[in-house]
Amino acid sequence: AQSVTQLGSHVSVSEGALVLLRCNYSSSVPPYLFWYVQYPNQGLQLLLKYTSAATLVKGINGFEAEFKKSETSFHLTKPSAHMSDAAEYFCAVSGDSGYSTLTFGKGTMLLVSP
Amino acid sequence: EAQVTQNPRYLITVTGKKLTVTCSQNMNHEYMSWYRQDPGLGLRQIYYSMNVEVTDKGDVPEGYKVSRKEKRNFPLILESPSPNQTSLYFCASSPGGSRAYGYTFGSGTRLTVV
Repeated sequence: AQSVTQLGSHVSVSEGALVLLRCNYSSSVPPYLFWYVQYPNQGLQLLLKYTSAATLVKGINGFEAEFKKSETSFHLTKPSAHMSDAAEYFCAVSGDSGYSTLTFGKGTMLLVSP
Repeated sequence: EAQVTQNPRYLITVTGKKLTVTCSQNMNHEYMSWYRQDPGLGLRQIYYSMNVEVTDKGDVPEGYKVSRKEKRNFPLILESPSPNQTSLYFCASSPGGSRAYGYTFGSGTRLTVV
């Protein structure tokens, strides 16, 4: 079975500071990993995904994530936070078949202060 | 525009009154799924469908029904809603056939059962 743990339900940063959102996974097969963002009153939007190619994955809006097998981690980073980055972020891991479910973490709310 | 459309966006109903939330996708995706989102619990899968006439339970199926008579539509049915089904619901779709695909999400339906 697959599972995802996101450390910290809320993360606060100042505008211009580094953003680091943590995600650790558990998977019985080589994982495919995803980060989604949810802006207020909207659905979830795919930020980036890891599908066993490059371990450093670049996504939209300047975000990137690094897959580290030894640490079972897939942390999301952005060098400089912008006010518009304030949202809830979800890490997810794919199951073990082609029609498999995505299992989501509980989410991390990113708060950005001026 | 490729999208998943849910209706209604907001719904207030009374306990026991049957309701249906519709979901439609225009991407010819095989895989469709329903999730509910609750504070502190993240997204939990209710039901999913791998193709027409093929549906299966997710993690929290109690109190819900689904059907998949056409590829594009995947309605969620609450036969006798109860207050603990007050939640934010998302429909999602995926091409299926590979773990590398992420989901495309609808904009959500906020349901309140009084």
